[in-house]
Amino acid sequence: NAGVTQTPKFRILKIGQSMTLQCAQDMNHNYMYWYRQDPGMGLKLIYYSVGAGITDKGEVPNGYNVSRSTTEDFPLRLELAAPSQTSVYFCASSTLGTGGNQPQHFGDGTRLSIL
Amino acid sequence: RKEVEQDPGPFNVPEGATVAFNCTYSNSASQSFFWYRQDCRKEPKLLMSVYSSGNEDGRFTAQLNRASQYISLLIRDSKLSDSATYLCVVLHPSGGYNKLIFGAGTRLAVHP
Repeated sequence: NAGVTQTPKFRILKIGQSMTLQCAQDMNHNYMYWYRQDPGMGLKLIYYSVGAGITDKGEVPNGYNVSRSTTEDFPLRLELAAPSQTSVYFCASSTLGTGGNQPQHFGDGTRLSIL
Repeated sequence: RKEVEQDPGPFNVPEGATVAFNCTYSNSASQSFFWYRQDCRKEPKLLMSVYSSGNEDGRFTAQLNRASQYISLLIRDSKLSDSATYLCVVLHPSGGYNKLIFGAGTRLAVHP
């Protein structure tokens, strides 16, 4: 049972570099999310998607972009990495949104450092 | 004011102790409530949902007080394996999307 798979697990970037964090889920979930978690803080929603071809901004979208060409994949793109983007990034998915008691299933996280 | 507030702890308790965490939320339109558990350097995982009438799952009891806008989690007979950070999570509607708001978490350390 793969669930939600994130790659890479760790990455160090230089300021100004770009990269894509990959996220894939095999549960046929419509909803997918990207969060960042800074030390001692709660998760902040960056972007979310309610289905293939549909994405929208969360609380902290600046400096990031996403796409959702398939139900399974939801990559997160950093175009010009900045030190403020040093964080742990979690991808999550859920069935038909977060109404009721639909839990979110999380990937293992990507630890990203910008130096 | 944060939308979801928790005491960061840490709560240091011996095995077998009973420990309780509280969480307050600011948006009275919030619809659903959850407790997630997050182990060190791991992803959050759903521990339990919180129902209006209160609910129990083994050693864990969750309570909701809508009037005072707070949620609680009680852990009885603490185990070493309960050591983790407990995230209070609140769902409320936001522009056509039901948004999950995560608290920063309460850290629990259970010692022998």
